[in-house]
Formats: sequence, structure tokens, C-alpha cells
Amino acid sequence: QITLKESGPTLVKPTQTLTLTCTFSGFSLSTSGVGVGWIRQPPGKALEWLALIYWDGDKRYSPSLKSRLTITKDTSKNQVVLTMTNMDPVDTATYYCARSPRWLQPDYDYWGQGTLVTVSS
Amino acid sequence: DIQMTQSPSSLSASVGDRVTITCRASQSISNYLNWYQQKPGKVPKLLMYTASSLQSGVPSRFSGSGSGTDFTLTISSLQAEDFATYYCQQSYSTPYSFGQGTKLEIK
Repeated sequence: QITLKESGPTLVKPTQTLTLTCTFSGFSLSTSGVGVGWIRQPPGKALEWLALIYWDGDKRYSPSLKSRLTITKDTSKNQVVLTMTNMDPVDTATYYCARSPRWLQPDYDYWGQGTLVTVSS
Repeated sequence: DIQMTQSPSSLSASVGDRVTITCRASQSISNYLNWYQQKPGKVPKLLMYTASSLQSGVPSRFSGSGSGTDFTLTISSLQAEDFATYYCQQSYSTPYSFGQGTKLEIK
């Protein structure tokens, strides 16, 4: 059974750094071709792709957010961490992590429940 | 960046109807196109990948087609549980962008 779960703060202040952890089970991020990505969704709006890390450490970022994002993995802990610097109220969204089973053509077959992050002073 | 445009943005239909949702990419993405279903307050669910491959466990009334820039998701006979918002996503190049969504409502 594959599960993913996001954890982190629900409220951050503007200019602060957000750190989200995705803890997963049922698959390994050392398996060839597998990746874990982050996608967010502002309230009432569409999905926005943020970042992805593959089993081999290859990282992909949204160009518009690349300067603010860092994605890392800890294979031994089955965790992927996303950090986003200089948070702004427009970053208020539900943040999802999800598994990508297919290398270099990332679709997402298993998703975490999502975590709502509010940016407000 | 590749822009994904879905049409229509919203659609009213009845149980039993055949429904088609369109997704257009701003440049060719071969067949690197995925479809998701999201119900209110729920997590997105993968329906189709690489344009026409049905994800395991998804009913066969869902089908996808297209290549290049134009793609469609078809539901052959709408069921009550299909009323939701549908998103396309390109997996051709970063950022792996999503469409704006198509909200399928009960007529």
C-alpha cells in the first residue's frame, strides 16, 4: 500500500521560509525511474506544479519559482523535503506531494492528503 | 513555458451523457499528456497518462486521445460519481504545467 503524507507549518509569516516534509511508504525512492514531486493549489484555483526529485537525485523546478525552491530527499527515511523562501500571501495554498512512477514523463499516481499553508502576518 | 488551455471551463451534463473535454498545448508535447479528476475537498486522482493509457482501477468509460497539441478526455456514459473538476497536465518539459480545469456539473 502506497501512502504519502505532507507535514509542516500551517501558518507562516511573509518573508519567512517554508519547510515541508513528505513522508512516504510502500515504495522506495531508490527504485529506478521513480520520483516525488510537489504540486500546490491556491484556494478555489487550479493546480500548479512546483518541483520534482528523481531516484537518482535529478531535480526539476518550476522556472518561475526556482530561485525560491529547494527539493531534497532522504532515501533512508523515505522523505522528500521542499523549502520555499521569502513566502508571500500569494503562496497561500494546499501543498501536495505525489509519486511519479514514470521517469522523464512525470504523471502522479499517488498523492498525499495535502497540507494547507496560509501566509499571513 | 508550455501553456495548457482546457475547454470548456465548465460544462453541464446529465447522467448517461457522453462528454468530451479538450486540452490544447501551446506547443507540441508529443503524447506527454495526463488527465486528473478532482472532487471538492479531495485529492486529485490520475485517470489517464501518456494521452491514452488508462490508469489502473479507472473505469473503462474514460478514454483519452490526441497527440501534438490537441487532446481530448471522453466519458462515454456519465455516472453520478463523475461530476468533478478535470485537469490536464503536460509531462513533456518543465514546468510540468496543468490546465486551468474543467468543472463538470449536473444539469
